[in-house]
Amino acid sequence: SQELEQSPQSLIVQEGKNLTINCTSSKTLYGLYWYKQKYGEGLIFLMMLQKGGEEKSHEKITAKLDEKKQQSSLHITASQPSHAGIYLCGADSILTGGGNKLTFGTGTQLKVEL
Amino acid sequence: GAGVSQTPSNKVTEKGKYVELRCDPISGHTALYWYRQSLGQGPEFLIYFQGTGAADDSGLPNDRFFAVRPEGSVSTLKIQRTERGDSAVYLCASSPDESYEQYFGPGTRLTVT
Repeated sequence: SQELEQSPQSLIVQEGKNLTINCTSSKTLYGLYWYKQKYGEGLIFLMMLQKGGEEKSHEKITAKLDEKKQQSSLHITASQPSHAGIYLCGADSILTGGGNKLTFGTGTQLKVEL
Repeated sequence: GAGVSQTPSNKVTEKGKYVELRCDPISGHTALYWYRQSLGQGPEFLIYFQGTGAADDSGLPNDRFFAVRPEGSVSTLKIQRTERGDSAVYLCASSPDESYEQYFGPGTRLTVT
């Protein structure tokens, strides 16, 4: 079965600093999803990457998938308190009956200090 | 528009009791997924519906767990003879089709005492 390892497990940064979260897969990724989760809330979809070398950006968040499709990074520029939360990467795998099951990493908890 | 909703938001039950957790997907979404998230872990897949049928239930931990989606919209996750190890946040997600990103609800926090 596919396993995803995220690093670091937790991160505390000062407001305005840049940071990077990594997600490494034990197998080649078919599709890689990044979600953000806050306590008591569901997962908020950030980005999906499918192609080796692909890079996507949304506001101050950039996600990349390496050429071999086994590692992804999420980079936040000039962090703000609103970026605080748990960031989860999820690997896509096709289910026997169709559909896409997501296998998630254990998450990276981000705190942004003023 | 309205997102995925789940009720109740919190459920406390005694060991051995039966519980039902409800999920209202985004209108028009044909694919529906249930996941379970334990403290400090990422969500784990339980079951997938395409329309009314359970297309894949390979993630259900045992036969105490069952889910239905009779009209292809609302889904109910049912847990019989609850155990303390069932305590977790149960998340529901829907997507327009099987190939699109999944939109998650806020979850139901189940505590079995």
